[in-house]
Amino acid sequence: QVVLTQPPSVTGAPGQKVIISCSGIQSNMGALPGVHWYQQLPRTAPKLLIYGDSNRPSEIPARFSGSRSVSSASLAIAGLQVEDEADYYCQSFDSNLNVWVFGGGTKLTVL
Amino acid sequence: QVQLVQSGPEVKEPGSSVKISCKASGGTFRTEAFTWVRQAPGEGLEWMGGLIPVFGTPYFAQKFQGRISITADASTNTIYLQLRGLSSEDTATYYCAKDHRVKPMNYFDSAGLFYWGQGAQVTVSS
Repeated sequence: QVVLTQPPSVTGAPGQKVIISCSGIQSNMGALPGVHWYQQLPRTAPKLLIYGDSNRPSEIPARFSGSRSVSSASLAIAGLQVEDEADYYCQSFDSNLNVWVFGGGTKLTVL
Repeated sequence: QVQLVQSGPEVKEPGSSVKISCKASGGTFRTEAFTWVRQAPGEGLEWMGGLIPVFGTPYFAQKFQGRISITADASTNTIYLQLRGLSSEDTATYYCAKDHRVKPMNYFDSAGLFYWGQGAQVTVSS
């Protein structure tokens, strides 16, 4: 089964840019359905930030962006704000087993 | 306005079963992709499975095969998760979620889990 690896934690200062990686993506999954990213604030349900590698729901600010290479994906957060402090998860598809897989999550600290 | 409203917290004994409901409103229901995700205390998100009601075929994570059921009742726009043979490792918050895509071609034709229920706490303890 696909195993998605994320760094356990990243830290950034207000106004800076951080990048969260997600490696282990199945390289032969083609263009669809792509990698999705979620933000989870403490004690709340996750929130969809990016879908299909790089698409943002309309209510998500442009300072959140996603990209993907052959076997990895990245979430970039520019202009860090204190309220961005949360856990971030990537999600990808395993076409061999027909299952969704989540990464282990990355805790973002804004100092 | 799309809403997913889940049933309340459950306390179960080891070896028993739990059935959690998720009532959807504001969408078409039958053609939408619904997913169950759980999160153990202090842990990450775990995909359990899901389905599109009109197609009927559920998909499950391998680790739950044999003790999980996901069903849909179109008469009440409700999705159900049943998990059998509970152990302390099943203590978690269970979320239902709905895909961003209104009418996917199949369950994995996904635009991400946009709508989420409030979560249902399941505690397994003797």
